[in-house]
Amino acid sequence: GAGVSQSPSNKVTEKGKDVELRCDPISGHTALYWYRQSLGQGLEFLIYFQGNSAPDKSGLPSDRFSAERTGGSVSTLTIQRTQQEDSAVYLCASSPGSGETQYFGPGTRLLVL
Amino acid sequence: DQQVKQNSPSLSVQEGRISILNCDYTNSMFDYFLWYKKYPAEGPTFLISISSIKDKNEDGRFTVFLNKSAKHLSLHIVPSQPGDSAVYFCAASAPKSGTYKYIFGTGTRLKVLA
Repeated sequence: GAGVSQSPSNKVTEKGKDVELRCDPISGHTALYWYRQSLGQGLEFLIYFQGNSAPDKSGLPSDRFSAERTGGSVSTLTIQRTQQEDSAVYLCASSPGSGETQYFGPGTRLLVL
Repeated sequence: DQQVKQNSPSLSVQEGRISILNCDYTNSMFDYFLWYKKYPAEGPTFLISISSIKDKNEDGRFTVFLNKSAKHLSLHIVPSQPGDSAVYFCAASAPKSGTYKYIFGTGTRLKVLA
């Protein structure tokens, strides 16, 4: 079946602009996660959604970052007033339920000039 | 504070030999550990996992060992193949404590030489 998909695959933006990154999880997966990988770093947790529960936002680096998940499926990560340090690969993962193995999408490569 | 550490940024191994990738963690609450493999321009692909109630899990050429007292896990690949060349990340979580996010190491780049 279809895996996790993300769009766009690449995004170049100017400092100060807002960007939206999209994630389509595997159908039927109730848990959805966002991570980012900066150059030379490991994957850094950003936010986690599980069903209708309040999301775990503990990894969001600043209030410029927000995410929502509509209808328990598609998720959008929004970065407002982008900064050069936001340049990274943003990865989305989903799992059938909490605590189960996470399956990753291909990522969105964001470059802030 | 790096809770999951992969101290070897790179490793080269001859084809057919064993590859051993190491990972250390500091948080004793972690009770679920995983290894992911990542090719350039792709997302991480799940390889193998282990729960803290076990000390070994095997899947084909891949075996993960967990030493809870040393807070150390390792991934063994035998025999290594050129297609195994990738970056390997270990990850940890604490699902029994209600913490489902993964904490990742910084990765080890494995190169298998033909």
